[in-house]
Amino acid sequence: DSGVTQTPKHLITATGQRVTLRCSPRSGDLSVYWYQQSLDQGLQFLIQYYNGEERAKGNILERFSAQQFPDLHSELNLSSLELGDSALYFCASSVGTSAQETQYFGPGTRLLVL
Amino acid sequence: DAKTTQPTSMDCAEGRAANLPCNHSTISGNEYVYWYRQIHSQGPQYIIHGLKNNETNEMASLIITEDRKSSTLILPHATLRDTAVYYCIAFLRTGTASKLTFGTGTRLQVTL
Repeated sequence: DSGVTQTPKHLITATGQRVTLRCSPRSGDLSVYWYQQSLDQGLQFLIQYYNGEERAKGNILERFSAQQFPDLHSELNLSSLELGDSALYFCASSVGTSAQETQYFGPGTRLLVL
Repeated sequence: DAKTTQPTSMDCAEGRAANLPCNHSTISGNEYVYWYRQIHSQGPQYIIHGLKNNETNEMASLIITEDRKSSTLILPHATLRDTAVYYCIAFLRTGTASKLTFGTGTRLQVTL
């Protein structure tokens, strides 16, 4: 158990819909990261937040957005869903300031868009 | 972040040491080498990391060559539960911004 929690574990929805994935970081971690893993793209970095502010951005679609709240939990919002958005979405957390710190990953949310 | 190259797949007999190589010839002096693994579709699991010196923890050992252009992850006594995809990543933090860039990894199959 990494200490990072993600909800829900599974999500099935239809094209065009909007969903919200939630992540609670490990106690004391200020940074939260979101990654997407699809069959054809592998594990891809989406976005990072540190203490409520966006710090790094990967190949995140404009239809996707994220935020980190004052209690440090984070939400990833996916809108106008397409079939290709079906994937595993992982959240990771770290302290956020050390050159050699480790990111710890949650169990993921499996999204299926029908 | 520097690009890493790993073999696509490897096999290892249970109880034997699994040696997983990684090439990172363009790694910069302050980039760390991190190893993660992913068992089936679970979240990636941190294994070990290092900068210059060899490192060992309860899971594995990491051997980094003196020129830092390659490294080897060693699982000393592989078990069936070590069957997974292993990722070698060159990591550099810039201020409070960072990300892990995953390649395709090595699929390790541990067999009886």
